[in-house]
Amino acid sequence: AQSVTQLDSHVSVSEGTPVLLRCNYSSSYSPSLFWYVQHPNKGLQLLLKYTSAATLVKGINGFEAEFKKSETSFHLTKPSAHMSDAAEYFCVVKLNYGGSQGNLIFGKGTKLSVKP
Amino acid sequence: GAVVSQHPSWVICKSGTSVKIECRSLDFQATTMFWYRQFPKQSLMLMATSNEGSKATYEQGVEKDKFLINHASLTLSTLTVTSAHPEDSSFYICSARSSGGRFRNEQFFGPGTRLTVL
Repeated sequence: AQSVTQLDSHVSVSEGTPVLLRCNYSSSYSPSLFWYVQHPNKGLQLLLKYTSAATLVKGINGFEAEFKKSETSFHLTKPSAHMSDAAEYFCVVKLNYGGSQGNLIFGKGTKLSVKP
Repeated sequence: GAVVSQHPSWVICKSGTSVKIECRSLDFQATTMFWYRQFPKQSLMLMATSNEGSKATYEQGVEKDKFLINHASLTLSTLTVTSAHPEDSSFYICSARSSGGRFRNEQFFGPGTRLTVL
């Protein structure tokens, strides 16, 4: 079965320091992976997606993620955190086979706090 | 990206009443729309998938008679929570998958509707 695991429920960083949000996936097939951000009381916004092209994916707001098949990981990074990055981040895998093909499976989320 | 709207954004109702939530794709057509539920500090859980003009497909454990879904057009899906109870209080998020054009097969999310049942 396809799934994603977000290893940290809460990450706290200081403004200007790097951000690392970890995600591991499980999939028998080549996965489609996404990172979404959810600010309080707002809708989900797509940060970036991997769909079997370049393994290093660049997204919006300076975020990027690297697909590592050997480690089954798709960690989200940003060189320098900004106060506005404080939000909930979800790692998501898209089902590529079976009756629910096309459905999105969400990780449990990682809350990112940014200290001044 | 494309825009999905939800209405209302926040609703408070009495136990036993029904509440309808609308989800609209504003600048694209969506053959398929999804309804998710998110409890506080938890992830999104898919409730059902609706295809325009046909019956919705519900995930295991979701009562189809309680959560009525209608997808009557390519830009509108509605979720009606019937005979709501306090345990139905949650954040409901819809999503629409673009049928064609520039964003074909991409999925866009609405801002969510917070339902509080007293």
